[in-house]
Amino acid sequence: GAGVSQSPRYKVAKRGQDVALRCDPISGHVSLFWYQQALGQGPEFLTYFQNEAQLDKSGLPSDRFFAERPEGSVSTLKIQRTQQEDSAVYLCASTPGERQLYGYTFGSGTRLTVV
Amino acid sequence: AQKITQTQPGMFVQEKEAVTLDCTYDTSDPSYGLFWYKQPSSGEMIFLIYQGSYDQQNATEGRYSLNFQKARKSANLVISASQLGDSAMYFCAMREGTGGFKTIFGAGTRLFVKA
Repeated sequence: GAGVSQSPRYKVAKRGQDVALRCDPISGHVSLFWYQQALGQGPEFLTYFQNEAQLDKSGLPSDRFFAERPEGSVSTLKIQRTQQEDSAVYLCASTPGERQLYGYTFGSGTRLTVV
Repeated sequence: AQKITQTQPGMFVQEKEAVTLDCTYDTSDPSYGLFWYKQPSSGEMIFLIYQGSYDQQNATEGRYSLNFQKARKSANLVISASQLGDSAMYFCAMREGTGGFKTIFGAGTRLFVKA
């Protein structure tokens, strides 16, 4: 596609519910990143994929967070047993190459609200 | 550990004037990249400009320029001839050249352009 597409745009989840957030990167982009952005803050790194390989998951806040990119294109970020502190905007970004020499192309994000 | 500091929570500028947004960084890696992103109220992060640590000249992209002072570890963004559409959050970010792929972001500066 022309840009990075994320769905849903908004998600309201009851505490304890599982959610799945989807990211469809620009076609052919090797690198894919997930970030979490709390209200009024800068984005915080969650995880990085190079094709289908998850090379860095050091930013995932707990084992309730899981990400996958099984075919090296679409990625899903799953949050199990959601808690109120998970409320944030989840941003996906992609870049063409293995080395991020230039800026990310971000999607519009998914705003998750846990009630 | 790498770190990005943006000390200006908010800035005002008169339309058509220039404005400088401050950014300092800290890293022990001699190879790194510095980035600026714009986030309008719509939420999408937009890549503006990139500066590599070994680049001899300051980066420029249209009305954006990056004032890179390596010894002071500063990477200020200069926006010339401000426009009303420049009102947004601006994030400074850094990626180290070795040891990882992630980019870390500062807390951001909100810019208000006055007519």
